Amino acid sequence: RKEVEQDPGPFNVPEGATVAFNCTYSNSASQSFFWYRQDCRKEPKLLMSVYSSGNEDGRFTAQLNRASQYISLLIRDSKLSDSATYLCVVIGRGSTLGRLYFGRGTQLTVWP
Amino acid sequence: EAQVTQNPRYLITVTGKKLTVTCSQNMNHEYMSWYRQDPGLGLRQIYYSMNVEVTDKGDVPEGYKVSRKEKRNFPLILESPSPNQTSLYFCASSFGPMGDAFFGQGTRLTVV
Repeated sequence: RKEVEQDPGPFNVPEGATVAFNCTYSNSASQSFFWYRQDCRKEPKLLMSVYSSGNEDGRFTAQLNRASQYISLLIRDSKLSDSATYLCVVIGRGSTLGRLYFGRGTQLTVWP
Repeated sequence: EAQVTQNPRYLITVTGKKLTVTCSQNMNHEYMSWYRQDPGLGLRQIYYSMNVEVTDKGDVPEGYKVSRKEKRNFPLILESPSPNQTSLYFCASSFGPMGDAFFGQGTRLTVV
């Protein structure tokens, strides 16, 4: 079983729509979680960290559900510039401390 | 400017010809790692390093070597490249085991 599973999409939404991505992880001891954004064939860049209490950054909201071992990302009022692949990342624990485990990414296309 | 620099950005080589992809970071990060990204498979970790002279295998280490003689550099070595190592490679660094990672711009390698 992969460490991190994501729905690959693609998600195609109109401008202004709200879209949500989910990601599940297998190691219940994992402590750190992130969402990265990757534009076509460019390097991944940190979008936001995910905290137990949930966190919001403008139009983006990230939440963590430890009981169900999933992470979510909500994008409100989608913009054309939000078109990208969104990667869920979990940091390893114990013997794999410091390792980053990536989901395969969810592709989002926002159309005018 | 804080950055992770990879070289070369593009490389076409022949099977069996040893090559090195360099990675350098100027943020004094302890953790560095290498990934390859292939369509449908996402980012997979090749090797990672927790500090100078400390390295460990990731998910797909076969056919690769690394070294960490200095904190800022983490080269990826392909002793005898094969066509199945054709891929997009990313180097990344982070301050600690739980921190967010900064990625280099990627190296697109083609082995013919």
